[in-house]
Amino acid sequence: AQSVTQLGSHVSVSEGALVLLRCNYSSSVPPYLFWYVQYPNQGLQLLLKYTSAATLVKGINGFEAEFKKSETSFHLTKPSAHMSDAAEYFCAVIYGGSQGNLIFGKGTKLSVKP
Amino acid sequence: NAGVMQNPRHLVRRRGQEARLRCSPMKGHSHVYWYRQLPEEGLKFMVYLQKENIIDESGMPKERFSAEFPKEGPSILRIQQVVRGDSAAYFCASSRPPYNEQFFGPGTRLTVL
Repeated sequence: AQSVTQLGSHVSVSEGALVLLRCNYSSSVPPYLFWYVQYPNQGLQLLLKYTSAATLVKGINGFEAEFKKSETSFHLTKPSAHMSDAAEYFCAVIYGGSQGNLIFGKGTKLSVKP
Repeated sequence: NAGVMQNPRHLVRRRGQEARLRCSPMKGHSHVYWYRQLPEEGLKFMVYLQKENIIDESGMPKERFSAEFPKEGPSILRIQQVVRGDSAAYFCASSRPPYNEQFFGPGTRLTVL
C-alpha cells in the first residue's frame, strides 16, 4: 500500500541548532511531495512542495527539503531553529494514479528549547 | 482574498445527533477535499468532490457519513447518528486542478458527548 513514513514522532532541538525531520515515501515513481506545518488548534500551512522542477526545494520560514529518488526520501531541514518553529510537521504525498488526494505521514512534533 | 472557510469551528453533539460541517473553498477553486484528524493520528483522506460530483470517496466510512458540493453554496460533510469515535478535527482543503497545492481551512473540531 502507498504510504508515507515520518521517523520520530517527537524531535527536540535547541534554539539555533539544525532541524532535521525525516520523511520517506513508498513508490518507485516520484510523486508530488509536500511539507505542511500545523500550529496548535489551527489548520495546515504549506511549507514547501516538490514538483520535479528541482531536487532542492526552498520554502517559507527558512525551511528547505531535498528530494532523493535513490533513497525515496524528502527530509525537511532548517539550519537554525527558532522558538517560533515549535509546531507539528506533516509530510504528505500525492501518488500518481490517485485522484489528487494527499496521503499524510503521522506527523513530527518539533520542540525548541531556549 | 479570503482563504478556505470552515464553520463551525467547534461543534458539540450528543450521541445519536447529526453533525453538519461546512466548507467554502477559496475563490476560483472548484475542487474540495475533506480530511479527518483523529487524536494521536495523522490526517486521513475522506472524500474528494468537484461541483455537483463526488470524484473519490474511498476514505469515507461506509455508513452514516455523506458529502456534497452543490452548484451553489459550500461543501457539506454530514455525519448522521454520531458516536464518540467520530470526535476529531475535520479539515477541508481546496485546489484548482488536482496535483496542485491544497489550501486548508482552520478545521472543525467535533466533540461527541
